[in-house]
Amino acid sequence: AAGVIQSPRHLIKEKRETATLKCYPIPRHDTVYWYQQGPGQDPQFLISFYEKMQSDKGSIPDRFSAQQFSDYHSELNMSSLELGDSALYFCASSSRDNSYNEQFFGPGTRLTVL
Amino acid sequence: KNEVEQSPQNLTAQEGEFITINCSYSVGISALHWLQQHPGGGIVSLFMLSSGKKKHGRLIATINIQEKHSSLHITASHPRDSAVYICAVRGRETSGSRLTFGEGTQLTVNP
Repeated sequence: AAGVIQSPRHLIKEKRETATLKCYPIPRHDTVYWYQQGPGQDPQFLISFYEKMQSDKGSIPDRFSAQQFSDYHSELNMSSLELGDSALYFCASSSRDNSYNEQFFGPGTRLTVL
Repeated sequence: KNEVEQSPQNLTAQEGEFITINCSYSVGISALHWLQQHPGGGIVSLFMLSSGKKKHGRLIATINIQEKHSSLHITASHPRDSAVYICAVRGRETSGSRLTFGEGTQLTVNP
């Protein structure tokens, strides 16, 4: 069965550069979630989208923005990168047609800011 | 105090042992996830519970909504079970279904 796809899997950037992370949800899933996991930390919720509209917002810095497109894939745009942005970024998807709304996780994008 | 707390933080076992990882939460929830994270970083969903008990192979997850507590059990543990196990909850009051994660339990199973 198709899973959540994230690209790239690894990304190295310099401070003050920009980065774009992409997430392709499981087919027919309408909701996408972004989580950030710093080294040795538990994942923290950043933002989510349902049907291309922002549905919830967590601890996402103002330097970051995200959107969900008409094909339901989502992109997380990160500008003015800082060393502290180095983390594993997970995307998850779910379907509200599923009564449990279970989230399925992608493999993550490991961002390293030098 | 974190909304989701796990114990123990680290657990070392011998192959074949029965393992229990506990999760307590302080908020009302609509569902609880048990997740597995391997050293490469990928997260795999093991269970999603809203009540009772679920079993999949050697893994068993239980939840007691009244006591706000869940346990993950691994029977006949194996070195390949070595991973970080994370409890995550979806709050009842939250729109958008965000998950709040525990700090994880690092499990090492020695041969």
